[in-house]
Amino acid sequence: AQTVTQSQPEMSVQEAETVTLSCTYDTSESDYYLFWYKQPPSRQMILVIRQEAYKQQNATENRFSVNFQKAAKSFSLKISDSQLGDAAMYFCAYRWDTGTASKLTFGTGTRLQVTL
Amino acid sequence: GAVVSQHPSRVICKSGTSVKIECRSLDFQATTMFWYRQFPKQSLMLMATSNEGSKATYEQGVEKDKFLINHASLTLSTLTVTSAHPEDSSFYICSAQGRGAWGNTIYFGEGSWLTVV
Repeated sequence: AQTVTQSQPEMSVQEAETVTLSCTYDTSESDYYLFWYKQPPSRQMILVIRQEAYKQQNATENRFSVNFQKAAKSFSLKISDSQLGDAAMYFCAYRWDTGTASKLTFGTGTRLQVTL
Repeated sequence: GAVVSQHPSRVICKSGTSVKIECRSLDFQATTMFWYRQFPKQSLMLMATSNEGSKATYEQGVEKDKFLINHASLTLSTLTVTSAHPEDSSFYICSAQGRGAWGNTIYFGEGSWLTVV
């Protein structure tokens, strides 16, 4: 079974600094997708960044970037120049396609606090 | 703007009654919709996956007769909590996946808070 592990329940970062959230996963699949979702207090799930497993290049979206290590099954999220609005729960997610549909498995989440 | 809309955002119902939550894809045809439940300070737990026009596939431990899922059209899926009890109170979120370019990302609704009193 595919599992996703986020070992940091809470993290704190000062405004304008950089923080890295860790995520590891377990799978026997070779083709899959990895995501980071942000869930602010409103509870809306917001896609932060995605990575296709077949791509070696790490995905980047503005201040957000990932360090994807396929062999180590590691997928960490780096937030640069942290802003107050980045404070939220962050979920790492693994997705694989079954042919007719996709399945998405989430980690337990990391609560990020951003301090002044 | 939102591509998946969920309604209602909050609902309170009496114990023993049924309540329906709708999930609509606004800009695309959702071939697959997913329903999740999220307990306070916990992650999202997949309840079931529904493909348009076919029966939903429920995850282990989820009661099919209690959580009725219908995906009658390519833009609408509904979750009906039947004979609701206080322990069913939770945050329910739907997500949707389409075809082609819309299949690359799974989009989430805004979620629905259910309180059973």
